[in-house]
Amino acid sequence: QSALTQPASVSGSPGQSITISCTGTSSDVGSYNLVSWYQQHPGKAPKLMIYEGTKRPSGVSNRFSGSKSGNTASLTISGLQAEDEADYYCYSYAGSSTWVFGGGTKLTVL
Amino acid sequence: QVQLQESGPGLVKPSGTLSLTCGVSGGSISSSNWWIWVRQPPGKGLEWIGEIYQSGNTNYNPSLTSRVTMSVDKSKNQFSLKVNSLTAADTAVYYCARRSTVGGFFDYWGQGTLVTVSS
Repeated sequence: QSALTQPASVSGSPGQSITISCTGTSSDVGSYNLVSWYQQHPGKAPKLMIYEGTKRPSGVSNRFSGSKSGNTASLTISGLQAEDEADYYCYSYAGSSTWVFGGGTKLTVL
Repeated sequence: QVQLQESGPGLVKPSGTLSLTCGVSGGSISSSNWWIWVRQPPGKGLEWIGEIYQSGNTNYNPSLTSRVTMSVDKSKNQFSLKVNSLTAADTAVYYCARRSTVGGFFDYWGQGTLVTVSS
Protein backbone atom coordinates (compact mmCIF):
# COMPACT_ATOMS: atom_id res chain seq x y z
CA GLN A 1 0.00 0.00 0.00
CA SER A 2 1.70 3.20 -1.20
CA ALA A 3 0.66 6.77 -0.48
CA LEU A 4 -1.24 8.53 -3.23
CA THR A 5 0.90 11.02 -5.16
CA GLN A 6 0.27 14.74 -4.73
CA PRO A 7 2.45 17.69 -5.70
CA ALA A 8 4.42 18.91 -2.69
CA SER A 9 3.36 22.49 -3.24
CA VAL A 10 1.16 24.72 -5.39
CA SER A 11 0.65 28.45 -5.32
CA GLY A 12 -1.66 31.08 -6.72
CA SER A 13 -2.64 34.69 -6.34
CA PRO A 14 -5.88 35.86 -4.74
CA GLY A 15 -8.78 35.45 -7.14
CA GLN A 16 -7.03 32.83 -9.28
CA SER A 17 -7.86 29.14 -9.55
CA ILE A 18 -5.57 26.25 -8.68
CA THR A 19 -5.86 22.49 -9.05
CA ILE A 20 -4.25 19.85 -6.84
CA SER A 21 -3.89 16.38 -8.31
CA CYS A 22 -3.96 13.07 -6.46
CA THR A 23 -2.66 10.15 -8.48
CA GLY A 24 -3.21 6.58 -7.44
CA THR A 25 -3.61 3.30 -9.27
CA SER A 26 -6.33 1.11 -10.71
CA SER A 27 -6.42 -0.58 -7.27
CA ASP A 28 -7.48 2.53 -5.38
CA VAL A 29 -8.49 5.87 -6.95
CA GLY A 30 -9.26 4.30 -10.29
CA SER A 31 -11.52 1.57 -8.92
CA TYR A 32 -13.66 3.35 -6.35
CA ASN A 33 -15.65 6.56 -6.10
CA LEU A 34 -14.43 7.02 -2.53
CA VAL A 35 -11.94 9.88 -2.72
CA SER A 36 -12.22 12.63 -0.13
CA TRP A 37 -10.20 15.80 0.35
CA TYR A 38 -9.14 17.47 3.60
CA GLN A 39 -7.85 20.93 4.42
CA GLN A 40 -5.45 21.29 7.36
CA HIS A 41 -4.29 24.53 8.86
CA PRO A 42 -1.18 24.48 11.07
CA GLY A 43 -1.82 22.93 14.46
CA LYS A 44 -5.39 22.02 13.58
CA ALA A 45 -7.23 18.82 12.78
CA PRO A 46 -8.06 18.20 9.12
CA LYS A 47 -11.41 19.40 7.77
CA LEU A 48 -13.50 17.60 5.16
CA MET A 49 -13.82 19.60 1.93
CA ILE A 50 -14.95 17.05 -0.69
CA TYR A 51 -16.25 13.49 -0.42
CA GLU A 52 -17.11 10.75 -2.91
CA GLY A 53 -14.89 12.55 -5.39
CA THR A 54 -17.20 15.45 -6.22
CA LYS A 55 -19.60 16.12 -3.35
CA ARG A 56 -19.27 19.12 -1.06
CA PRO A 57 -20.41 18.96 2.59
CA SER A 58 -22.77 21.64 3.80
CA GLY A 59 -20.88 24.67 4.99
CA VAL A 60 -17.97 24.25 2.56
CA SER A 61 -17.65 27.06 0.04
CA ASN A 62 -18.71 26.31 -3.54
CA ARG A 63 -15.28 27.59 -4.57
CA PHE A 64 -14.07 24.06 -3.79
CA SER A 65 -14.81 21.33 -6.32
CA GLY A 66 -13.61 17.82 -7.01
CA SER A 67 -13.27 15.63 -10.07
CA LYS A 68 -11.76 12.35 -11.19
CA SER A 69 -10.31 10.99 -14.40
CA GLY A 70 -8.93 7.49 -14.49
CA ASN A 71 -6.50 6.98 -11.63
CA THR A 72 -6.24 10.69 -10.80
CA ALA A 73 -8.54 12.74 -8.60
CA SER A 74 -8.33 16.51 -8.49
CA LEU A 75 -9.32 19.32 -6.15
CA THR A 76 -9.91 22.74 -7.68
CA ILE A 77 -10.15 25.94 -5.67
CA SER A 78 -11.48 28.93 -7.56
CA GLY A 79 -11.36 32.56 -6.47
CA LEU A 80 -8.40 31.92 -4.15
CA GLN A 81 -8.56 33.64 -0.80
CA ALA A 82 -5.90 34.14 1.83
CA GLU A 83 -7.67 31.75 4.22
CA ASP A 84 -7.32 28.93 1.68
CA GLU A 85 -3.60 28.77 2.46
CA ALA A 86 -3.21 25.37 4.12
CA ASP A 87 -2.15 21.79 3.52
CA TYR A 88 -4.49 19.60 1.48
CA TYR A 89 -4.71 15.81 1.58
CA CYS A 90 -6.57 13.34 -0.58
CA TYR A 91 -7.76 10.03 0.84
CA SER A 92 -9.06 6.94 -0.92
CA TYR A 93 -10.25 3.43 -0.38
CA ALA A 94 -7.45 1.08 -1.46
CA GLY A 95 -9.26 -2.24 -1.44
CA SER A 96 -9.06 -5.14 1.01
CA SER A 97 -10.57 -2.96 3.75
CA THR A 98 -7.64 -0.54 3.74
CA TRP A 99 -7.45 3.17 3.12
CA VAL A 100 -4.61 5.47 2.05
CA PHE A 101 -3.79 9.18 2.20
CA GLY A 102 -1.95 11.27 -0.32
CA GLY A 103 1.37 12.77 0.70
CA GLY A 104 -0.16 16.23 1.08
CA THR A 105 0.12 19.51 -0.83
CA LYS A 106 1.03 22.86 0.66
CA LEU A 107 -1.01 25.65 -0.91
CA THR A 108 0.51 29.11 -0.78
CA VAL A 109 -1.61 32.15 -1.59
CA LEU A 110 0.81 34.74 -2.95
CA GLN B 1 -22.74 17.68 17.60
CA VAL B 2 -20.36 14.74 17.93
CA GLN B 3 -17.11 15.48 19.72
CA LEU B 4 -14.03 13.28 20.03
CA GLN B 5 -11.26 13.68 22.59
CA GLU B 6 -7.95 11.81 22.65
CA SER B 7 -6.24 11.06 25.95
CA GLY B 8 -3.08 9.27 27.00
CA PRO B 9 0.59 9.76 27.89
CA GLY B 10 2.51 12.33 25.88
CA LEU B 11 5.87 10.62 26.41
CA VAL B 12 6.64 6.94 26.01
CA LYS B 13 9.91 5.02 25.99
CA PRO B 14 11.47 3.26 23.00
CA SER B 15 10.47 -0.41 22.77
CA GLY B 16 7.46 0.39 24.96
CA THR B 17 3.75 0.51 24.19
CA LEU B 18 1.66 3.56 23.30
CA SER B 19 -1.88 3.53 24.68
CA LEU B 20 -4.45 6.13 23.67
CA THR B 21 -8.17 6.43 24.25
CA CYS B 22 -10.72 8.43 22.27
CA GLY B 23 -13.83 9.49 24.17
CA VAL B 24 -16.97 10.11 22.10
CA SER B 25 -19.62 12.60 23.22
CA GLY B 26 -22.76 13.88 21.52
CA GLY B 27 -23.26 10.56 19.78
CA SER B 28 -23.09 6.81 20.31
CA ILE B 29 -20.12 4.65 19.50
CA SER B 30 -22.71 2.02 18.61
CA SER B 31 -23.89 4.05 15.62
CA SER B 32 -23.26 2.83 12.08
CA ASN B 33 -19.81 4.35 11.70
CA TRP B 34 -16.21 3.24 11.79
CA TRP B 35 -13.89 4.74 14.40
CA ILE B 36 -10.47 5.66 13.07
CA TRP B 37 -6.92 6.40 14.21
CA VAL B 38 -4.68 8.60 12.05
CA ARG B 39 -1.22 9.92 12.89
CA GLN B 40 0.99 12.73 11.63
CA PRO B 41 4.73 12.87 12.37
CA PRO B 42 6.00 16.41 12.97
CA GLY B 43 6.19 18.28 9.68
CA LYS B 44 4.95 15.28 7.68
CA GLY B 45 1.74 13.97 6.17
CA LEU B 46 -1.20 11.99 7.47
CA GLU B 47 -1.07 8.21 7.86
CA TRP B 48 -4.09 5.94 8.29
CA ILE B 49 -3.37 3.58 11.21
CA GLY B 50 -6.61 1.63 11.18
CA GLU B 51 -10.25 1.47 12.18
CA ILE B 52 -12.71 -0.36 14.40
CA TYR B 53 -16.46 -0.91 14.19
CA GLN B 54 -18.82 -1.15 17.16
CA SER B 55 -18.85 -4.92 16.76
CA GLY B 56 -15.11 -5.03 17.34
CA ASN B 57 -14.25 -5.72 13.70
CA THR B 58 -10.93 -4.08 12.83
CA ASN B 59 -8.93 -3.13 9.75
CA TYR B 60 -5.29 -2.11 10.08
CA ASN B 61 -2.67 -0.48 7.87
CA PRO B 62 -0.65 -3.42 6.47
CA SER B 63 2.59 -1.64 7.41
CA LEU B 64 1.55 -1.45 11.08
CA THR B 65 -0.68 -4.48 11.57
CA SER B 66 1.90 -6.49 13.54
CA ARG B 67 2.20 -3.74 16.17
CA VAL B 68 -1.32 -2.30 16.41
CA THR B 69 -4.36 -3.30 18.45
CA MET B 70 -7.65 -1.43 18.60
CA SER B 71 -10.60 -2.03 20.92
CA VAL B 72 -14.00 -0.49 21.67
CA ASP B 73 -15.70 -0.01 25.05
CA LYS B 74 -19.39 0.59 24.50
CA SER B 75 -20.09 1.08 28.23
CA LYS B 76 -17.75 4.08 28.27
CA ASN B 77 -18.54 5.22 24.71
CA GLN B 78 -14.86 5.18 23.80
CA PHE B 79 -12.33 3.32 21.68
CA SER B 80 -8.64 2.72 22.13
CA LEU B 81 -5.34 2.26 20.32
CA LYS B 82 -2.23 0.37 21.36
CA VAL B 83 1.03 0.40 19.40
CA ASN B 84 3.91 -1.72 20.66
CA SER B 85 7.65 -1.99 19.92
CA LEU B 86 7.92 1.78 19.67
CA THR B 87 10.74 3.67 17.97
CA ALA B 88 11.36 7.37 17.42
CA ALA B 89 9.58 7.01 14.06
CA ASP B 90 6.31 6.56 15.97
CA THR B 91 6.57 10.11 17.35
CA ALA B 92 3.54 11.90 15.95
CA VAL B 93 0.29 13.71 16.60
CA TYR B 94 -2.33 11.00 16.92
CA TYR B 95 -5.88 11.82 15.85
CA CYS B 96 -9.06 9.86 16.38
CA ALA B 97 -11.92 10.37 13.95
CA ARG B 98 -15.27 9.02 12.81
CA ARG B 99 -15.65 7.60 9.30
CA SER B 100 -19.01 7.38 7.62
CA THR B 101 -19.88 3.87 6.41
CA VAL B 102 -21.42 5.49 3.33
CA GLY B 103 -18.92 7.48 1.33
CA GLY B 104 -15.97 6.60 3.53
CA PHE B 105 -15.17 10.13 4.61
CA PHE B 106 -14.15 11.46 8.02
CA ASP B 107 -16.82 13.79 9.35
CA TYR B 108 -15.62 14.33 12.91
CA TRP B 109 -12.08 14.56 14.31
CA GLY B 110 -10.46 14.90 17.70
CA GLN B 111 -8.04 17.78 18.19
CA GLY B 112 -5.06 15.41 18.20
CA THR B 113 -2.51 14.53 20.86
CA LEU B 114 1.28 14.57 20.48
CA VAL B 115 3.04 11.39 21.52
CA THR B 116 6.83 11.53 21.75
CA VAL B 117 8.90 8.37 21.85
CA SER B 118 12.07 9.11 23.77
CA SER B 119 14.10 7.78 26.66
